[in-house]
Amino acid sequence: EDKVVQSPLSLVVHEGDTVTLNCSYEVTNFRSLLWYKQEKKAPTFLFMLTSSGIEKKSGRLSSILDKKELSSILNITATQTGDSAIYLCAVVGGSQGNLIFGKGTKLSVKP
Amino acid sequence: EAGVAQSPRYKIIEKRQSVAFWCNPISGHATLYWYQQILGQGPKLLIQFQNNGVVDDSQLPKDRFSAERLKGVDSTLKIQPAKLEDSAVYLCASSWSLSSYEQYFGPGTRLTVT
Repeated sequence: EDKVVQSPLSLVVHEGDTVTLNCSYEVTNFRSLLWYKQEKKAPTFLFMLTSSGIEKKSGRLSSILDKKELSSILNITATQTGDSAIYLCAVVGGSQGNLIFGKGTKLSVKP
Repeated sequence: EAGVAQSPRYKIIEKRQSVAFWCNPISGHATLYWYQQILGQGPKLLIQFQNNGVVDDSQLPKDRFSAERLKGVDSTLKIQPAKLEDSAVYLCASSWSLSSYEQYFGPGTRLTVT
């Protein structure tokens, strides 16, 4: 069965800290890995990583795909209270090529 | 550009009642998805449309859930009759095409079944 596992499930840090969120997957027909940020209800797109683009960076956020280890990390440096959210990892794969989501990591950034 | 629109934002019903959710995707997006997100879980795909055709509904509980996208634009998801375990956020998402993996999500509808 295809699965995506995220760790930790929750994390509390203080402003200015650097955090690393983990995502591992066992998915047939892997095509790409996506990271989303979910603050209220709607997940918003952060990054998409594929075999041809294994590292992405946007401001304080960066992500790396390790196809050998079947995993990805999302790094957030100099965290701010506005970074508090649930971060979802999703993999495109399976028999239908659909998004398979992990349970998410709930990040809380304290002032 | 306008995002994915959904309504209603919240709905409370009693078990065995019926409910319908509406979604209008981003203009030009051919592919539309409905997800169910139970508290503490990631979104789970219920059904995927390409224009007005169903691509994948393998995880849709067809005895009580139905969905349509008649004109290939907006879509409706219905639950009849609702059960307590249907309490969740129902998210609609769209993308340019089947091969476009980047999906854009709407604000969702929070359903509470009592």
